[in-house]
Order: sequence, then C-alpha cells, then structure tokens
Amino acid sequence: GAGVSQSPSNKVTEKGKDVELRCDPISGHTALYWYRQRLGQGLEFLIYFQGNSAPDKSGLPSDRFSAERTGESVSTLTIQRTQQEDSAVYLCASSLVVTPTYNEQFFGPGTRLTVL
Amino acid sequence: TQLLEQSPQFLSIQEGENLTVYCNSSSVFSSLQWYRQEPGEGPVLLVTVVTGGEVKKLKRLTFQFGDARKDSSLHITAAQTGDTGLYLCAGVPPTGSARQLTFGSGTQLTVLP
Repeated sequence: GAGVSQSPSNKVTEKGKDVELRCDPISGHTALYWYRQRLGQGLEFLIYFQGNSAPDKSGLPSDRFSAERTGESVSTLTIQRTQQEDSAVYLCASSLVVTPTYNEQFFGPGTRLTVL
Repeated sequence: TQLLEQSPQFLSIQEGENLTVYCNSSSVFSSLQWYRQEPGEGPVLLVTVVTGGEVKKLKRLTFQFGDARKDSSLHITAAQTGDTGLYLCAGVPPTGSARQLTFGSGTQLTVLP
C-alpha cells in the first residue's frame, strides 16, 4: 500500500475485555513504532521494532500491554483486561532509515479505542 | 526524561494573520522535527532541523532551531484555514539513538475564515 494502514479505525469495548489492534507498515520499512495519544495531547511512545532486533518495550505502561511483529511486516498491539484509562488513539508509524540525527516516521490514521 | 513544552497550547486566529508557536526544553536535542496532525489522521512530518541556529522555510512556514539546540519555533505568515491542525514538535535525544522521539504536547491551531 501507499501508506501505513491501521485497523480497526474505531473500537469500542467493555472494561475487562481484551483488544487487538493491527498495523500494516509501508513495505520495506524496517522500523515500526506504536504510540498512544490521549485527547488533545502529544504522543506517548509505547514500543519500537527494528528488523530482527529485540523490541524496545520501555514505553509500555503495564504488563497488560504487549505487541508483536512478524519480520518486517504486520504488527499487532494487544491490550488485555482493558481499563477506561486505556481510552485513546493508538498510532502506528514506520520508518525506512533511522540514524543518530534523522528519523522520518510515517504515521497511520490511528485506532480510536473507547473503553466503556 | 527529556521533556518538550509547547506554547501556546491553543491558538485561534483570523485568516491572514501571522503566528508563532514555540517548543522549549531544558535538554539538548541532536535534531528536532515538526509535525502537523489533522483530525482523524496521523501526524505528517513538515521539517527536520539539525544544526543550532538553523532556519528552514517551507512556503509560508519558517522553522528555527535555537543556537543551543534546546528550543525551536514555527512561524506562519498569512495563515490560511488549511493551516488548521495540531502542531507537534519532536526531539531526537543526543545519546546517539534516533529511534525514540520525544514528542511535545502540541499546539492546536485554528484559523478562522
């Protein structure tokens, strides 16, 4: 595809349920990121994948959050036992080149998660 | 933790006016990026500034990186309604890894017709 795609675009769930969010990065992009954006706020880093290296999970807020990526393709972010505080837009981004001074990230449209 | 503070948080102006938004930190960044995000979409990169004191122009937008590489500004001349959006700055830490950007909280700009 031409850009980063995410699905679903909207997800409404009940407190305590598990949810799975999907990200399809731009083909050939080796780096993939997940961010959380609360209403009207900036982006909160969650996790970073680079090729076959171990992912950087330092931004995951709790052990209810996990993410996987198969090779350099699709990634899924899973939130277990969702809480109302998890309500936010979850953004995925991919990048082709990551250098010490340059990292252009291409973002998907996000998944808006609402936990009732 | 390196923090980026953006100001103002909200800005509403009339079409044709000029404006400046700021991105400040007490920490040094090796480079800084500006993104614009429209409702229902992800952020889109506008510019990356790398050198202290650097000024980059993108049509009516002028970006400046502070001499000490701790702050940046975005100036828009003769704003248009199409400039409406959330403007985010993001810094690359000086520790050698660009993999993790630090994002500011954003400036929500509304340009009224």
